[in-house]
Amino acid sequence: DIVMTQSPDSLAVSLGERATINCKSSQSVLYSSNNKNYLGWYQQKPGQPPKLLIYWASNRESGVPDRFSGSVSGTDFTLTISSLQAEDVAVYYCHQYYSTPQTFGQGTKVEIK
Amino acid sequence: EVQLLESGGGLVQPGGSLRLSCAASGFTFSSYGMNWVRQAPGKGLEWVSGISSGGGSAHYAESVKGRFTISRDNSRNTLDLQMNSLRVEDTAVYYCAKALMSYSSSIASAVQWGQGTLVIVSS
Repeated sequence: DIVMTQSPDSLAVSLGERATINCKSSQSVLYSSNNKNYLGWYQQKPGQPPKLLIYWASNRESGVPDRFSGSVSGTDFTLTISSLQAEDVAVYYCHQYYSTPQTFGQGTKVEIK
Repeated sequence: EVQLLESGGGLVQPGGSLRLSCAASGFTFSSYGMNWVRQAPGKGLEWVSGISSGGGSAHYAESVKGRFTISRDNSRNTLDLQMNSLRVEDTAVYYCAKALMSYSSSIASAVQWGQGTLVIVSS
């Protein structure tokens, strides 16, 4: 199974500042035939289901604010919130869908400092 | 607008059975793979099972293999999860999740989520 490891487990960021969440996969999730990384990012607010933010590691889902962005370097993935807003307080998960069983990171809790 | 409405959750004793359903609307159901993902209270997300758009390919997490069965009815736009031999550790909110991308036989896609249904396994 591919293990997804997120860091940090939690972080507190001031309003308007940048928040950076990391996710490392235990093996490549890059499909060579289409050059896509099979990696998604989700936001989960308390009492709500997860919401898709990013797919193919860096594609923003429709309707997601452009302060959210995803990037990749090898097996290291990053979700960046460029200017944290109060409504961004949530737990964020990475998800590899390259192979079954699909697996998620353990989650990163983002709070306001 | 994609809508996924789960039902069938509830309280069941260890060793019992439960059948979850997901009613889908707002998209061409038969064109998309579907999944079940669960979340134990206060814990993270765990993928449980997935099925291809036509139903010909099904996959399971090791923790549920042999106990859970995923199925779909493309004529009724419904996804089901039959859960047998339930254990205390199966207690969770179960989410129906639609693949973002349309493939004929793969479920390799990011997903869009329903609201979830709570399953409690307890004596």
